[in-house]
Amino acid sequence: DTAVSQTPKYLVTQMGNDKSIKCEQNLGHDTMYWYKQDSKKFLKIMFSYNNKELIINETVPNRFSPKSPDKAHLNLHINSLELGDSAVYFCASSPGAGGPVTGELFFGEGSRLTVL
Amino acid sequence: AQSVTQLDSHVSVSEGTPVLLRCNYSSSYSPSLFWYVQHPNKGLQLLLKYTSAATLVKGINGFEAEFKKSETSFHLTKPSAHMSDAAEYFCVVSDLYTDKLIFGTGTRLQVFP
Repeated sequence: DTAVSQTPKYLVTQMGNDKSIKCEQNLGHDTMYWYKQDSKKFLKIMFSYNNKELIINETVPNRFSPKSPDKAHLNLHINSLELGDSAVYFCASSPGAGGPVTGELFFGEGSRLTVL
Repeated sequence: AQSVTQLDSHVSVSEGTPVLLRCNYSSSYSPSLFWYVQHPNKGLQLLLKYTSAATLVKGINGFEAEFKKSETSFHLTKPSAHMSDAAEYFCVVSDLYTDKLIFGTGTRLQVFP
């Protein structure tokens, strides 16, 4: 029973298209995140939600829009995809609003996005 | 601002020999520090964490790390490497002001038979 699951695992698409990645966690956690990992393995936070409320919104282009329909789900929609959006996108969750302080994030297996 | 520096981008060891992955941190206050592991095509998993309790922290799979304030280091060690330890390892510091985790650039551990 996967704790944090993301779909799809792989996405190959053309520049200019719109795509979505879905994330679900069955851990009962209050906080969920989207991270981007580039080709050099550098990991950077994009967004975090606590109980459906946006908490962290990094300097991310407006083309990226997260949506949290409930605290177990956090989706990421990307408009007008660009070559530079190619990366692995990780969803994660943590217990409570102070998740980063305790440091325990539970990650999904990632969604590898390739923009051609 | 909080930051971590992983001193080696790539470490190779033979199976059964010790592992040392080095991490230095920069922090304006007493930090919380973590090590995460990422196996190929998998998500990251917490190995261990230091949150101002014991300076020697034991984690999963036989790994441990020692917090040394005088050296601003939090190196990850394991007495005897297994093939299954081959992965990417990330040193991480928490930033209380921004409520974020700051990830290092990662160290790729290769284990040879």
